Amino acid sequence: DVKVTQSSRYLVKRTGEKVFLECVQDMDHENMFWYRQDPGLGLRLIYFSYDVKMKEKGDIPEGYSVSREKKERFSLILESASTNQTSMYLCASVGQLNTEAFFGQGTRLTVV
Amino acid sequence: GQSLEQPSEVTAVEGAIVQINCTYQTSGFYGLSWYQQHDGGAPTFLSYNALDGLEETGRFSSFLSRSDSYGYLLLQELQMKDSASYFCAVWSGATNKLIFGTGTLLAVQP
Repeated sequence: DVKVTQSSRYLVKRTGEKVFLECVQDMDHENMFWYRQDPGLGLRLIYFSYDVKMKEKGDIPEGYSVSREKKERFSLILESASTNQTSMYLCASVGQLNTEAFFGQGTRLTVV
Repeated sequence: GQSLEQPSEVTAVEGAIVQINCTYQTSGFYGLSWYQQHDGGAPTFLSYNALDGLEETGRFSSFLSRSDSYGYLLLQELQMKDSASYFCAVWSGATNKLIFGTGTLLAVQP
């Protein structure tokens, strides 16, 4: 059974903290994505990576960075968490055929 | 840029047929996908169309017209469990991005 696993289901952090969201996939996929989901706004792309050590900005990269040191792991970093980063964060991976994205269970982050 | 438009909400009754439309703008279009997301859950893949025409998978079908930059998801014999959000998504070969629409909330009523 294919799997994308996010390190936390729920997370509460304080304003100004550095936050790490981890995502691991076991499908040997090249492409990995980080989205945030807010009511009425759908899934908005933050960053993505198509290979180890490669990263590209999505549509809303401000306030975020990413790391992909190994093929199976894609980390999202909030350098200094702010309350407007309270959201559901979803990680996805896609294979070379680019047809189906597999999602993790999501991390609901609350910044207080 | 890239954008996808779909209706925000659709309501239908059990046993009926519903169509959720999606229009898109993107460069280097590869294909149109559809995902289902139940409240509190992660999106799950439903279908993918790379070529024009209709793809059928059980009660769900998906259609694509590349010349019109348009597609739809057709759900037949609606069941209460089909109440969920449905997202269309496009893969842009030019940017290597997978972009999602804002989602359509389907409410199935008894």
